[in-house]
Amino acid sequence: EVQLVESGGGLVQPGRSMKLSCAASGFTFSDYYMAWVRQAPKKGLEWVASISYEGSSTYYGDSVKGRFTISRDNAKSTLYLQMNSLRSEDTATYYCARPNWEPPYFDYWGQGVMVTVSS
Amino acid sequence: DIRMTQSPASLSASLGETVNIECLASEDIYSDLAWYQQKPGKSPQLLIYNANSLQNGVPSRFSGSGSGTQYSLKINSLQSEDVATYFCQQYNNYPPTFGAGTKLELK
Repeated sequence: EVQLVESGGGLVQPGRSMKLSCAASGFTFSDYYMAWVRQAPKKGLEWVASISYEGSSTYYGDSVKGRFTISRDNAKSTLYLQMNSLRSEDTATYYCARPNWEPPYFDYWGQGVMVTVSS
Repeated sequence: DIRMTQSPASLSASLGETVNIECLASEDIYSDLAWYQQKPGKSPQLLIYNANSLQNGVPSRFSGSGSGTQYSLKINSLQSEDVATYFCQQYNNYPPTFGAGTKLELK
């Protein structure tokens, strides 16, 4: 059974940093691109970033480019999202998602982790 | 970026009724269209991909259709467990973009 379990969220002040993790199991992690998708409270879904199989290629949405970094550790089957210079508009539930196809749709999603950016 | 416009934003339907949700893309997306169901407090679940292919394990009362810029999700014989918000998403071009969602409630 495919499982994606996010961790690392919480309350952070504007301008500070936070790192999210996603532990994957139930599939061969290195065989898949991986992605982060976020959802602001009571809002729609926004693709944040994607990473290729070995991490050599990364893709970012315009709203996070230059501030967020997606990475992965295939030995640990873990995906990461380093978020710097956080803004109030980054407040959202962040989902780890497994893409199918490129550009992706997403066939498995984690339960999500809440990030609140507030002073 | 490709803009995805969903309609209606919300709808109310009775048990056993047939429901249709529409999604309009700002340009041709060549059937690179997925539909997701999100129940309250849960993560999205994939229902349909390639505009009309049913994801494994999804009940057959769900179906998708469309081409070009116009797509639709149909739910036959509405069940209580179908109460959710539904999102469309295009994956023809980066960035992948989502519709704003359609909230489905029981009448």
